[in-house]
Amino acid sequence: SQKIEQNSEALNIQEGKTATLTCNYTNYSPAYLQWYRQDPGRGPVFLLLIRENEKEKRKERLKVTFDTTLKQSLFHITASQPADSATYLCALETAGNQFYFGTGTSLTVIP
Amino acid sequence: DADVTQTPRNRITKTGKRIMLECSQTKGHDRMYWYRQDPGLGLRLIYYSFDVKDINKGEISDGYSVSRQAQAKFSLSLESAIPNQTALYFCATSDEFQETQYFGPGTRLLVL
Repeated sequence: SQKIEQNSEALNIQEGKTATLTCNYTNYSPAYLQWYRQDPGRGPVFLLLIRENEKEKRKERLKVTFDTTLKQSLFHITASQPADSATYLCALETAGNQFYFGTGTSLTVIP
Repeated sequence: DADVTQTPRNRITKTGKRIMLECSQTKGHDRMYWYRQDPGLGLRLIYYSFDVKDINKGEISDGYSVSRQAQAKFSLSLESAIPNQTALYFCATSDEFQETQYFGPGTRLLVL
């Protein structure tokens, strides 16, 4: 069956450290992989997209890697800040133009 | 995102009632989506529409119907609500390049 798995446990890190979130998938052939941030009571907000032929993408303190052989994406937040505390969702877009989301990882950055 | 609005924001209804959730967007996007979000299950696609004349079922369309009244409006209906349709519902839009989706603020629905 198709599955998208993110870190099942909440992630707590100290301010200034690098947070690394994992997204693993099975039985999908994504054209794109996206990362979204979701704050409590709000809709998800797009952060980064990486294509199947790209290995790495950066935006400010954010970095995403995509390994289609391992079927895994890693999402890094460097120099983390308390304001980065939120739930982070990965999403796959298939060639059929449908989006499939993971369950999300809750990140807390401790001052 | 103020460009995508949803009404109502909260709704309590009873089993068997018909309910409509509405979504409007000012982004000028052709593509619109309805998702539901449940704890531990993440966001799941209910229906999507690539233009006014194009409606497609998503992963979990049973028990739901949609109407695309105009480019800017996409409504989700529960013809006969049941308790397991209690969830947080999100509308989203994207342009034809689909490099990102823009989500509304969500509608929290409770079916008693």
